[in-house]
Amino acid sequence: KAGVTQTPRYLIKTRGQQVTLSCSPISGHRSVSWYQQTPGQGLQFLFEYFSETQRNKGNFPGRFSGRQFSNSRSEMNVSTLELGDSALYLCASSPTEGQVTYEQYFGPGTRLTVT
Amino acid sequence: AQKVTQAQTEISVVEKEDVTLDCVYETRDTTYYLFWYKQPPSGELVFLIRRNSFDEQNEISGRYSWNFQKSTSSFNFTITASQVVDSAVYFCALSDITGFQKLVFGTGTRLLVSP
Repeated sequence: KAGVTQTPRYLIKTRGQQVTLSCSPISGHRSVSWYQQTPGQGLQFLFEYFSETQRNKGNFPGRFSGRQFSNSRSEMNVSTLELGDSALYLCASSPTEGQVTYEQYFGPGTRLTVT
Repeated sequence: AQKVTQAQTEISVVEKEDVTLDCVYETRDTTYYLFWYKQPPSGELVFLIRRNSFDEQNEISGRYSWNFQKSTSSFNFTITASQVVDSAVYFCALSDITGFQKLVFGTGTRLLVSP
């Protein structure tokens, strides 16, 4: 099976702009989660989607949003970018059994730089 | 609140040495899951193991072994006969029983294995 794919891999944006990142999960995986990784804060959970519904949300401002499509692909959006949003954004997908999920498989990430 | 502590920021060993990465966690839940992930220089997090809090048996997979001790809230990871390819950042993570999608990560331990 193909792994989790994320596009784009690298992105440079200017403060105040918005950005959309895309994630395609492993085939058959219905749960998709997003994480932000920075040198200062480490790996932090952003949100998780299952069957097009957000089930969990981390402690991030409303500028961070996401969605999931019927084919389980997911996008996350960051509006009004700030310098502190520069990070590696990781997407992960999980196999599911009913409402329970299992280990997460991560994509290569999108490296966002805000100038 | 859940918390994972990896006190070792960086460990340097010479090839063929054994090395243990420490992980201490805090949770109020009686049922939870623990994970280890490896992040090589390429950046992609690689799943290594998932452990249920009910299962305190140690596990061995090739050169990797894990020691789970609920009494001390620790889930340590040992690499036997380390190799240069083991050089990476290793993360310990915790999640609650409602799902594995919201992982709380430790700060990671950077392992450098020199020839």
